[in-house]
Amino acid sequence: QQPVQSPQAVILREGEDAVINCSSSKALYSVHWYRQKHGEAPVFLMILLKGGEQKGHEKISASFNEKKQQSSLYLTASQLSYSGTYFCGTARGGADGLTFGKGTHLIIQP
Amino acid sequence: ETGVTQTPRHLVMGMTNKKSLKCEQHLGHNAMYWYKQSAKKPLELMFVYNFKEQTENNSVPSRFSPECPNSSHLFLHLHTLQPEDSALYLCASSQEVKAGGPGEQFFGPGTRLTVL
Repeated sequence: QQPVQSPQAVILREGEDAVINCSSSKALYSVHWYRQKHGEAPVFLMILLKGGEQKGHEKISASFNEKKQQSSLYLTASQLSYSGTYFCGTARGGADGLTFGKGTHLIIQP
Repeated sequence: ETGVTQTPRHLVMGMTNKKSLKCEQHLGHNAMYWYKQSAKKPLELMFVYNFKEQTENNSVPSRFSPECPNSSHLFLHLHTLQPEDSALYLCASSQEVKAGGPGEQFFGPGTRLTVL
């Protein structure tokens, strides 16, 4: 079951904040976040495991609400380098790969 | 450079051709994956090899045939493809524990496949 990401696209000015959401109708073991720039491979940002933890990486952080099977990615004081497509990938446990959402296109303007 | 290499980077083939995509990881990981990325669809998981065993075949047509001879190499053999199979094919690797779910995935640069 493919997770649902929202919004589909965001246009921001440099320095503004953004939130990207990812939700699933199935119980999840973990949620992964990746960023892909045009013509490049996806790059790992962070993993959140069930337990409702929140993680941070510089000005990018994320949370996972296990009860709602929802994860949110927070980008604060966005920089031009944050532009790209953000994907959440979900895992239900076991030796499986990830099921990815359709992605959120983020454009940061100077 | 993620430690995962893919060859060729670009491939154009006819519907009657047979070709193979190659992926190699230099990270010591024990799980490898093939994903398909096309313009109008999200990243789609095709195959998973965990501890050299194929653990998932995500309803992929038989014209795609994976091979994993060891934990560092992964191939995708292609034959009698259709134009709708044109896409970016991405290989990824990760370090897994059997009951713990997929870890951080490192993606290769992909092979851009065009089927005429």
